[in-house]
Amino acid sequence: EAGVTQFPSHSVIEKGQTVTLRCDPISGHDNLYWYRRVMGKEIKFLLHFVKESKQDESGMPNNRFLAERTGGTYSTLKVQPAELEDSGVYFCASSQDRGYTFGSGTRLTVV
Amino acid sequence: AQSVTQLGSHVSVSEGALVLLRCNYSSSVPPYLFWYVQYPNQGLQLLLKYTSAATLVKGINGFEAEFKKSETSFHLTKPSAHMSDAAEYFCAVSRAGGTSYGKLTFGQGTILTVHP
Repeated sequence: EAGVTQFPSHSVIEKGQTVTLRCDPISGHDNLYWYRRVMGKEIKFLLHFVKESKQDESGMPNNRFLAERTGGTYSTLKVQPAELEDSGVYFCASSQDRGYTFGSGTRLTVV
Repeated sequence: AQSVTQLGSHVSVSEGALVLLRCNYSSSVPPYLFWYVQYPNQGLQLLLKYTSAATLVKGINGFEAEFKKSETSFHLTKPSAHMSDAAEYFCAVSRAGGTSYGKLTFGQGTILTVHP
């Protein structure tokens, strides 16, 4: 079974630019989560999809972040415009029943 | 609201020594509890989880954790450390119930160093 795939693995962008992160969950997993770890801080929840619907987006930091999940398959997280404080590692996870699997993360650096 | 506190951001042990990583949680509802490990340049890997069955949970790579409700703790242990255990470890909590685990609330992480 393929795991959760995230890309790119690394991204370096300038402040003010736009970046789109992608997550491909395990096939058949209805639940998809985004998390973020800012350097030196704990991993924090951003949002939760059930299929294509946003179940909980209470962790989204502000309206510069936009998450979508087209057709209940892969998901994208867009940051526009990026700010320095958006730097960190963005993790995606997918879950079905009693499994919960994380991807390797995307390391975003905003300079 | 739920929260997790991991005591000690860095723990160092000798190879062959006991590993003890501490985790205390706060939850107003019955919790599910998890330990994850992250090796360099890899994702989060589930070590073990407590989901209201047995309070002593055995995981992969010889790790185990005991859920102690009275102490609100879920400490991770391994009798004998191996060099390959060097990594960062995360304790996490979610709400019990439902068909999925829902969002996880993580602790700050503990970096384990194993020296010869």
